[in-house]
Amino acid sequence: DAKTTQPTSMDCAEGRAANLPCNHSTISGNEYVYWYRQIHSQGPQYIIHGLKNNETNEMASLIITEDRKSSTLILPHATLRDTAVYYCIVRVGYNTNAGKSTFGDGTTLTVKP
Amino acid sequence: NAGVTQTPKFQVLKTGQSMTLQCAQDMNHNSMYWYRQDPGMGLRLIYYSASEGTTDKGEVPNGYNVSRLNKREFSLRLESAAPSQTSVYFCASSELAVSYEQYFGPGTRLTVT
Repeated sequence: DAKTTQPTSMDCAEGRAANLPCNHSTISGNEYVYWYRQIHSQGPQYIIHGLKNNETNEMASLIITEDRKSSTLILPHATLRDTAVYYCIVRVGYNTNAGKSTFGDGTTLTVKP
Repeated sequence: NAGVTQTPKFQVLKTGQSMTLQCAQDMNHNSMYWYRQDPGMGLRLIYYSASEGTTDKGEVPNGYNVSRLNKREFSLRLESAAPSQTSVYFCASSELAVSYEQYFGPGTRLTVT
């Protein structure tokens, strides 16, 4: 599975867009990019995933570069409740070994008033 | 619809004691997982069950055993607890092992003294 690199921490002003980058330069053609977040002391929460096209849902948008070596998670209007650790994970989406997973250290996003 | 539930929420054990962490899901998911999260670190996979009747090791299986009791329930057993097993344990489930869209429980905070 491809390794990901994320900044350790980021700040964002409340109401502004939060852009969280992730580098995955060794990604393979059949690997998906997934994003999860973990609000303090809670279980992780699935946000979004994508293969090569940009994706949007009610929580966020995922922008994947054309070469697929990096991606950005966008929270369009960050609120204080979006303060959390955000994990970028790259895994084969359709593989029986998809269960073997490690989340890494993620990016701590702090939304400030 | 409770999602993924875990019991107990908190537990303190002495070194050498045994205990079983319980996990249940009501989403009719086929796959279930156990993770541990040490302070300030990401999640690491202990064991997973791709489907009822099957289990497989993850990244850090030593010192643990699991049982997929039925489609709903997946338990994690510590036979002889050690201080190194002090951690927060999360259970998760997904519709299929091939899906990385996992749903997590609230966690069990275990301290081994």
